Amino acid sequence: DADVTQTPRNRITKTGKRIMLECSQTKGHDRMYWYRQDPGLGLRLIYYSFDVKDINKGEISDGYSVSRQAQAKFSLSLESAIPNQTALYFCATSDLPGTTSRGNQYFGPGTRLLVL
Amino acid sequence: KNQVEQSPQSLIILEGKNCTLQCNYTVSPFSNLRWYKQDTGRGPVSLTIMTFSENTKSNGRYTATLDADTKQSSLHITASQLSDSASYICVVSLSGGSYIPTFGRGTSLIVHP
Repeated sequence: DADVTQTPRNRITKTGKRIMLECSQTKGHDRMYWYRQDPGLGLRLIYYSFDVKDINKGEISDGYSVSRQAQAKFSLSLESAIPNQTALYFCATSDLPGTTSRGNQYFGPGTRLLVL
Repeated sequence: KNQVEQSPQSLIILEGKNCTLQCNYTVSPFSNLRWYKQDTGRGPVSLTIMTFSENTKSNGRYTATLDADTKQSSLHITASQLSDSASYICVVSLSGGSYIPTFGRGTSLIVHP
């Protein structure tokens, strides 16, 4: 089984709808991240969480919210989807930089979202 | 602003040939630099990770180098294969504090038979 899973893998929704993307991990990492990827722009950080009680905004958090339900689960919500939120969304996890993995990030398979 | 710049933006090579991808960064203070490979439509997968004290790191046909003084890194791919066709992303993390990584935009590599 994959260490980092995302659901759904593909989603089509309409402008104004609320949508939730879910991420689960079995790596036992405390740190989890949400990114979006647009063609030619690379990965941009939306939100990140360093433990269950910690939530931090990334560089493009407007229009998004997150929930860290447990160490293993981190959900991303679009409260009122708009077409420019059409993108590929990735969840990632990491351990602390001082560990053997040196803080390496492990990514899920991605969720392709289309907002009409 | 901390930045990571990659070049070239895209590259096309023939199967069996070698190639080198470049990464320049202004992230400071520096913790580590990673190279990721991202196949189309999939999540990035780590190839190498180097701290400031490491000059080179290999992973099979992939060899990454780091010059922390000039803030440059390169990823060399030897004897390219069709499966090397992907986007290669350079990622640099700050030291101290949150260690949030900064991503480059990637180099898109296409290997032709």
